[in-house]
Amino acid sequence: GAVVSQHPSWVICKSGTSVKIECRSLDFQATTMFWYRQFPKQSLMLMATSNEGSKATYEQGVEKDKFLINHASLTLSTLTVTSAHPEDSSFYICSARGFSGELFFGEGSRLTVL
Amino acid sequence: LAKTTQPISMDSYEGQEVNITCSHNNIATNDYITWYQQFPSQGPRFIIQGYKTKVKNEVASLFIPADRKSSTLSLPRVSLSDTAVYYCLVDPTSNTGKLIFGQGTTLQVKP
Repeated sequence: GAVVSQHPSWVICKSGTSVKIECRSLDFQATTMFWYRQFPKQSLMLMATSNEGSKATYEQGVEKDKFLINHASLTLSTLTVTSAHPEDSSFYICSARGFSGELFFGEGSRLTVL
Repeated sequence: LAKTTQPISMDSYEGQEVNITCSHNNIATNDYITWYQQFPSQGPRFIIQGYKTKVKNEVASLFIPADRKSSTLSLPRVSLSDTAVYYCLVDPTSNTGKLIFGQGTTLQVKP
């Protein structure tokens, strides 16, 4: 079946550095990709929606300059956490929707900021 | 976007059937109801999706009444490995439609 892959699956970085997380749809083209973050024992919170070749749409309260999203192709979207701080430590999950409306989730990326 | 409400937690024993009900009073005509399972530190995994009446696959059944304002996920003969969080979502299914997660139901299966 269709697979959405995230890389890296986990990353540790120092405070103040930037971290990039990739989300790829492996066997289908994704019209839209979504980025979520999830804190321990909480639900997934939608951060932003990205469409290939256009600017991402951010949910209320999400800093677009802090969480840069690029959707350069129909199979790749990236999330860059800029100047990361310990409070940005979280589990980041992407999902991708194909042209027929089917939706698949990635395995998630665990970010730990020291 | 339709909001979903489901119990925060449920307990069950191995071998029992588990039914988790979700309410989605504001569901729109084009929305589908989708259930996901999530284990710790993993992405959500698709379980089942339906529009109305009953849908069944190899792992679960989904019951949706005629008014579609609620749905019930049925897991037959659960095992310890079914301990997870289960999310009920209303899916617009358009190619740009986004999914908003509710709080989910934490199912604890005991031996």
